[in-house]
Amino acid sequence: KAGVTQTPRYLIKTRGQQVTLSCSPISGHRSVSWYQQTPGQGLQFLFEYFSETQRNKGNFPGRFSGRQFSNSRSEMNVSTLELGDSALYLCASSLTLIGAGANVLTFGAGSRLTVL
Amino acid sequence: AQSVTQPDIHITVSEGASLELRCNYSYGATPYLFWYVQSPGQGLQLLLKYFSGDTLVQGIKGFEAEFKRSQSSFNLRKPSVHWSDAAEYFCAVVPTGAGSYQLTFGKGTKLSVIP
Repeated sequence: KAGVTQTPRYLIKTRGQQVTLSCSPISGHRSVSWYQQTPGQGLQFLFEYFSETQRNKGNFPGRFSGRQFSNSRSEMNVSTLELGDSALYLCASSLTLIGAGANVLTFGAGSRLTVL
Repeated sequence: AQSVTQPDIHITVSEGASLELRCNYSYGATPYLFWYVQSPGQGLQLLLKYFSGDTLVQGIKGFEAEFKRSQSSFNLRKPSVHWSDAAEYFCAVVPTGAGSYQLTFGKGTKLSVIP
């Protein structure tokens, strides 16, 4: 059974650019959530998508957005990149919504974004 | 405020020694509880989880954790550490009940193992 696949694994951008990250969940998983990991702030929740709808959102500016497709694959986009957006972005998939019963999140290997 | 606390930022143990990593949470009701491990440059791997029932749960790689309601704790243990256990460990919680929730992580504990 394939795990959660994130692409690209590494990327370098400059300030002001935008970036799109992709996440393919485990087959059959309908929820995809995104997390930002930095040394200073740790792991922070960005948003969760389920059935192509954003169900929950963390405390991030509107520059951070996402979407989910009918096959449950998800993308997240960061516009007008800032130096502070440099981070490891982790995607996780689960069978159903976070908190909706005994549900386990499986994480991908992450996309390492460096903003210069 | 709801929170997850891992009081130890960095722990160093000798190979073969026992290990206990602490985790405390602050939530109104007992949440779902998890421990994840992250090796350098990698994603998060689930070690074990607690939803309900037996308060001592077994996980992968010889790890176990004990849920103590009275102490709002979910400490991770391993009787004999191997060099390959060197990694960062994260405790995480999800509130229970109706509504939309997120997985909230502690700041993590970095484990170093001395050969």
